[in-house]
Amino acid sequence: NAGVTQTPKFQVLKTGQSMTLQCAQDMNHNSMYWYRQDPGMGLRLIYYSASEGTTDKGEVPNGYNVSRLNKREFSLRLESAAPSQTSVYFCASRGGGGANVLTFGAGSRLTVL
Amino acid sequence: AQTVTQSQPEMSVQEAETVTLSCTYDTSESDYYLFWYKQPPSRQMILVIRQEAYKQQNATENRFSVNFQKAAKSFSLKISDSQLGDAAMYFCAYTDSNYQLIWGAGTKLIIKP
Repeated sequence: NAGVTQTPKFQVLKTGQSMTLQCAQDMNHNSMYWYRQDPGMGLRLIYYSASEGTTDKGEVPNGYNVSRLNKREFSLRLESAAPSQTSVYFCASRGGGGANVLTFGAGSRLTVL
Repeated sequence: AQTVTQSQPEMSVQEAETVTLSCTYDTSESDYYLFWYKQPPSRQMILVIRQEAYKQQNATENRFSVNFQKAAKSFSLKISDSQLGDAAMYFCAYTDSNYQLIWGAGTKLIIKP
């Protein structure tokens, strides 16, 4: 089925460990995004990639790095996880045409102990 | 800076009745998009409805409709004939030519059988 696939769905880390969240879309979208969602708050943009080969910081980029590996894949890396990064992470992609509609992955729940 | 405010943390409605969720936003732009997304317990973000600011006609999708008041910067969502499957978090979001979505904090909708 066409859409956005995120892995893993759940992950528990210890403080200081590193990990990468993977995201892939098969809709030939140019733009891809990583958000985090914390209780009582809306989604906050971590990083985005407007096109293959480009990445830009969003609202809350500190502690994260991203890679736009190709048009399909956009990964999010936590180099040294902190408890403040406990959250639910969403990857999304956006096609062209000006509709600005995002298609989301199912989310990845990350807990940092 | 653009902001999106959802003043109702939680709303409840009797099944088959109508409920309205509120959203206000702040922007100096004249051309932008507004969205309502639904997030059920499965965590998946699902687009409910979108509105282009240049269109005066309110968007409608089956039982879901919006009341878009551009001058008042208000964008409320009306759900008619509420169903148990409508129970979810509802997020209002805004984007302009920067294509960066700004999100409200969400409203939890409870459907009473």
